[in-house]
Amino acid sequence: DTAVSQTPKYLVTQMGNDKSIKCEQNLGHDTMYWYKQDSKKFLKIMFSYNNKELIINETVPNRFSPKSPDKAHLNLHINSLELGDSAVYFCASSQSYGYTFGSGTRLTVV
Amino acid sequence: AQSVTQLGSHVSVSEGALVLLRCNYSSSVPPYLFWYVQYPNQGLQLLLKYTSAATLVKGINGFEAEFKKSETSFHLTKPSAHMSDAAEYFCAVSDYNQGGKLIFGQGTELSVKP
Repeated sequence: DTAVSQTPKYLVTQMGNDKSIKCEQNLGHDTMYWYKQDSKKFLKIMFSYNNKELIINETVPNRFSPKSPDKAHLNLHINSLELGDSAVYFCASSQSYGYTFGSGTRLTVV
Repeated sequence: AQSVTQLGSHVSVSEGALVLLRCNYSSSVPPYLFWYVQYPNQGLQLLLKYTSAATLVKGINGFEAEFKKSETSFHLTKPSAHMSDAAEYFCAVSDYNQGGKLIFGQGTELSVKP
């Protein structure tokens, strides 16, 4: 059983499209995150939810909208995709400073 | 605000040689510190973490790190490099004043020569 699972693993789409990435964790953690890894491999937090409540929103464009239907799920919807959105997006969950990452979603905007 | 700096974006060692990856942190409170490894096209795997217990932390795959408050450092070491250690390594600090988010360093790519 994968602890933090993301779908899809790869996503290729055209500029202007809207896409979603899904994340589910089966660890019972209260907090979930979205991180973006750019082409230089730099990892930066985008959002964090604790028990379905948004607690971190790090100056991310409004085109990005996270949604947490329950504490086991955190989805990321992206509107009007731009070339600069191409990156690897990681979902993670945590409890008491134990962090578990998903395997990532490689988004390519063409 | 908390931050981490990894010295050296690329480190190259010979197989069997000592691995030393450097990480310095900035924190106004006792930090929780982490090292992660990322193999090509894979996710992040936890190597080890420091949570204010023993200052010498042992992790997986023979890696260890020592927390030195006086030097604000948390360097990662391994006595003898294997070819399979070639990967990207990230140092991170947990900012528990801001929802416990992890703040990552820039990463260090480790190459191992035969």
